[in-house]
Amino acid sequence: DIVMTQSPLSLPVTPGEPASISCRSSQSLLHSNGHYYLDWYLQKAGQSPQLLIYLGSNRASGVPDRFSGSGSGTDFTLRISRVEADDVGIYYCMQGIQAPFTFGQGTRLDIK
Amino acid sequence: QVQLVQSGAEVKKPGASVKVSCKASGYSLTAYVIHWVRQAPGQSLEWMGRLNADSGDTRYSQKFQGRVIIARDTSATTAYMELSSLRSEDTAIYYCAGTPIAVPGNQLDSWGQGTMVSVSS
Repeated sequence: DIVMTQSPLSLPVTPGEPASISCRSSQSLLHSNGHYYLDWYLQKAGQSPQLLIYLGSNRASGVPDRFSGSGSGTDFTLRISRVEADDVGIYYCMQGIQAPFTFGQGTRLDIK
Repeated sequence: QVQLVQSGAEVKKPGASVKVSCKASGYSLTAYVIHWVRQAPGQSLEWMGRLNADSGDTRYSQKFQGRVIIARDTSATTAYMELSSLRSEDTAIYYCAGTPIAVPGNQLDSWGQGTMVSVSS
């Protein structure tokens, strides 16, 4: 199985400041169609996860442009340009290139 | 985006089976691959398997092979996940999630509200 490793696991951020989460996979996530099969999700307290970024760098519908995804091969990053109070929750990366699809451990973002 | 509504919470004894449903509205279920993902208390997310609701094709995580069945009803409006030989470690929230068939990727675009399954003697 592909192992997904996130860092940091805890991320306290001052509102208005940027934030960055790293996700590394144990194998390349580059599909033969040229896309990276790496997605980012946010799970707010008591809620289902919601899709933020898909195929490495594409924002899902309704996601603010403060969120961006980048990376290639086995190294990916989620960036929030200016953190807001509503961004609090646990962020997960997931690889969808090889079953079983696997998630990172999660990064808990909270407000300082 | 399809709306996915799951069945209610379940309490089961060890060794029993549980069947969780996932009803689609807004779009046809057959336009989606339906995945099942679970989350044990305080833990990360774990992918269990998926169903192509158009073709009926399934793929399971090896961890659950032989213990899980993912299927859809004959009218193709509802997907199901049945997990058998339950043990305490299966206590978790079970989510269904959908990926549009017609686009690249396996992103989990829409999620159900989750179903809590508790296994206890």
